[in-house]
Parts: sequence; C-alpha cells; structure tokens
Amino acid sequence: QVQLVESGGGVVQPGKSLRLSCAASGFTFSTFGVFWIRQAPGKGLEWVAVISFDGNNKYYGDSVKGRFTVSRDDSKNTLFLQMSSLRPEDTAVYYCAKGGTDSYFDSWGQGTLVTVSS
Amino acid sequence: EIVMTQSPATLSVSPGERATLSCRASQSVSSKLAWYQQKPGQAPRLLIYGTSTRATGIPARFSGSGSGTEFTLTIDSLQSEDFAVYYCQQYNNWYTFGQGTKLEIK
Repeated sequence: QVQLVESGGGVVQPGKSLRLSCAASGFTFSTFGVFWIRQAPGKGLEWVAVISFDGNNKYYGDSVKGRFTVSRDDSKNTLFLQMSSLRPEDTAVYYCAKGGTDSYFDSWGQGTLVTVSS
Repeated sequence: EIVMTQSPATLSVSPGERATLSCRASQSVSSKLAWYQQKPGQAPRLLIYGTSTRATGIPARFSGSGSGTEFTLTIDSLQSEDFAVYYCQQYNNWYTFGQGTKLEIK
C-alpha cells in the first residue's frame, strides 16, 4: 500500500533554513506528481508546492514563492522541500501527498511539524 | 485565486441521521472538486474526487454532487467514526481548500 513518511521538522529561528524529506513506498514514485501541503496549528489546509512526475515542472503557493524549493530524487523515492528565510507564519504541520489521476491528493503522509520561533 | 467557502462551520447531527455539507467556489471549478476527512491528530483522507467519485475503500454512505460553483457532500446514516472535520478542495485552477466543516455529535 502507498506509504509516505515525512521527516526533518523541528524548531528553527526566523530567517533560518530547514529541509524536509518525504520517503515514498508502495507505488511507482517516478510516475506521479507529488505535493507539499501545510496546516498551521488549529487552522485549515494550504497547498505549498507541487513537482511533476518528471521533475521538470515546479509550482508554489504565493506565500512561499521565492523562499521554498521543491525537488525529488527518484532513485531514492524521496521528495524534498528546502525552506529558507523562514517566518513565524510558516509554523505548521507539513504533509506530503501523492497526486491522483488528476491533481487531487489521494494519499497523505502523517506530517512533520515545523515551528519557527526565536 | 479561487476562494472556497464551506457551510456551515459546525454541523451537529445525531448518529444514524444524514449530514449535508456545502461548498461554494468563487468561480467555476468545473467538476474538479475533492472532499477530505480529517480526524484529530491525523492526516486528511481523500473521500471524493471529481465531484462524485468515491476514493478506494470509502463507504457508499458518502456521496458527492454538484458542478460549477456549488457542491455537496452527503453522509447517510452517520456512524460514530464519521464525526470529524471535512474539507473541500478545488483543483481546476491551482489548489485551494475550504476552511472546513466540523461534523459533531448532536
């Protein structure tokens, strides 16, 4: 079955950087687009980034554009999110999700918490 | 950006009854509408995509309908495990979510 496991979260100071990882298994990783979605404490869901199946297309939500970079390593079935210039408002649980046959999110990881605080 | 608005914010329903959740888009999203269920401390789970197609393993008591800008998630014969927060999401023009409807036990 599909499994997505995020890691790399933690407490980081404003202005610093952090890299999240998402290890995928149970499906042919290289044939699917994959997403990052976040959820601030007690709040709703916000799409962060997407990378196409071949890695050639990357798109970002307005709130993270220019600060976050999504990438993938198909040899390791792993998705990454490099986050820089972090702000307190970036504090959230970050989920990775597998794209379905269209751009809905058909499988989710358990999430990793990022806290941006001095 | 397409804004998704869900109503009501909280819905109180008794077990065994029907729940009807609404989602409105600020502009047409065609049929590119999904619904997710989220329980406390858990990741969201896909219920419905393409407005009305149930995801793998989702019980038949969950159904979706609508088109354009108005969508509905209906849950028949509510079970105890159905009480959760539900989000709609459009994927016609990038990806945006509604703010959620909390379905609670009456």
